[in-house]
Amino acid sequence: EAGVTQFPSHSVIEKGQTVTLRCDPISGHDNLYWYRRVMGKEIKFLLHFVKESKQDESGMPNNRFLAERTGGTYSTLKVQPAELEDSGVYFCASSQARTSGTLQFFGPGTRLTVL
Amino acid sequence: SQQGEEDPQALSIQEGENATMNCSYKTSINNLQWYRQNSGRGLVHLILIRSNEREKHSGRLRVTLDTSKKSSSLLITASRAADTASYFCATGFSGGYNKLIFGAGTRLAVHP
Repeated sequence: EAGVTQFPSHSVIEKGQTVTLRCDPISGHDNLYWYRRVMGKEIKFLLHFVKESKQDESGMPNNRFLAERTGGTYSTLKVQPAELEDSGVYFCASSQARTSGTLQFFGPGTRLTVL
Repeated sequence: SQQGEEDPQALSIQEGENATMNCSYKTSINNLQWYRQNSGRGLVHLILIRSNEREKHSGRLRVTLDTSKKSSSLLITASRAADTASYFCATGFSGGYNKLIFGAGTRLAVHP
C-alpha cells in the first residue's frame, strides 16, 4: 500500500511568487493534516481536514496560506504571495480516525525555499 | 508558545552506547508520541504512550512518562549507526482532535 506522498519534494521560488504544494494521503484516510518546520525549529501544526471539511485550521499563519481538499482526496496548500519566512519543510500526514492518539502517517515533506 | 521541548538539542555517541532524550511539555495531554526523521525523509512513528501509562517498551526503545513533571524520556539501548536521525516528541490532546504539538527535536549521531 502506498504511503503519503507529497509533491514537489523541493521548490525554490522568489519572494512574491506563488507556490502550490500537493499531498496525497493514504487511500481511505479521511483525516489529513498539514504541518511545517521552519529553520530547524519545532514542527508546527497548520490544519486538519476531515474529508473535504476543515476540522481545525488554528495553525494557519495568515491569509497568504490557502488549503483545499476538494472531493476529500488529495489536498493542496497554496502560498500566495510567498515571503522569506515561509521557507521550511512542509509535511502532510493522514490518519484513519480523528480521535487523539490515532496514528498519523507522514509524507516525506516538501522543502520550500523562498529567496 | 512551544508545547514540547527536547533536550539535548544534539547528541553524539558511539555505537553500542545508550542514548537518552528528554521532552518537556506545558499543558495536560492525552498522549505523547515519539517520532524519528532520517535526513530527507518523512517522520516515522516510534511509540505512543498514553497519559495513564508510565513506561512503554518497543524493541530497543523505552519511553517513560511523568505527568506530574510534564516530561518524557526516550531511551535507545545498544545504539547503531542506523539510529542516526532527528527525534521528536509530540503531544496529543483530548477533545476530539488529533493534532500534534511537536518539539524542536534532538539530533542524534551514532558513530561506528
